[in-house]
Amino acid sequence: AQSVTQPDIHITVSEGASLELRCNYSYGATPYLFWYVQSPGQGLQLLLKYFSGDTLVQGIKGFEAEFKRSQSSFNLRKPSVHWSDAAEYFCAVGEGNFNKFYFGSGTKLNVKP
Amino acid sequence: DVKVTQSSRYLVKRTGEKVFLECVQDMDHENMFWYRQDPGLGLRLIYFSYDVKMKEKGDIPEGYSVSREKKERFSLILESASTNQTSMYLCASLPAGGRYGYTFGSGTRLTVV
Repeated sequence: AQSVTQPDIHITVSEGASLELRCNYSYGATPYLFWYVQSPGQGLQLLLKYFSGDTLVQGIKGFEAEFKRSQSSFNLRKPSVHWSDAAEYFCAVGEGNFNKFYFGSGTKLNVKP
Repeated sequence: DVKVTQSSRYLVKRTGEKVFLECVQDMDHENMFWYRQDPGLGLRLIYFSYDVKMKEKGDIPEGYSVSREKKERFSLILESASTNQTSMYLCASLPAGGRYGYTFGSGTRLTVV
């Protein structure tokens, strides 16, 4: 079965510092990969996605992610974090005919002033 | 702007009640999903539907059923609510092909007392 692992449950960074959130997946073929962000009490908003082509993808709010097939990873990065980025982040992988996604357990990001 | 609307943000129900959670999307998407979200467990798929009147079990269907009589509406039914069904419930929709990712509703926080 497919699985998605986000090894960091909580991360705290200082405002203005760089950020990297890790995501590893298990899937036989090239998957569709996604990062979502969830603010407290809200639904999930799509940050970015990868399904083919350039392995470095750009998303909204200044985020980017890099697909590394050899490492089965799709890590999310941001060069300079803002206080408004404090939220929970979920990595997801789409399987098969891509009408079913699997989610990681999430990483909560705190931003120190 | 495309939307997935969940009818209630907060619900409090009693043990043994029959509970209906409603979800409506205005994007003409073929696929619709119900997830529950619990701390530390991420998002777990309850049921999904890839067409009107079609449904498939997800990973945790026990205690739930669904209905999709019209393309835009996907209802989650708790036949006899129990306290272990207290959770955040998220509805999502997805166009055929999957490459655009889910669009989520804002969620329904259900408390069963």
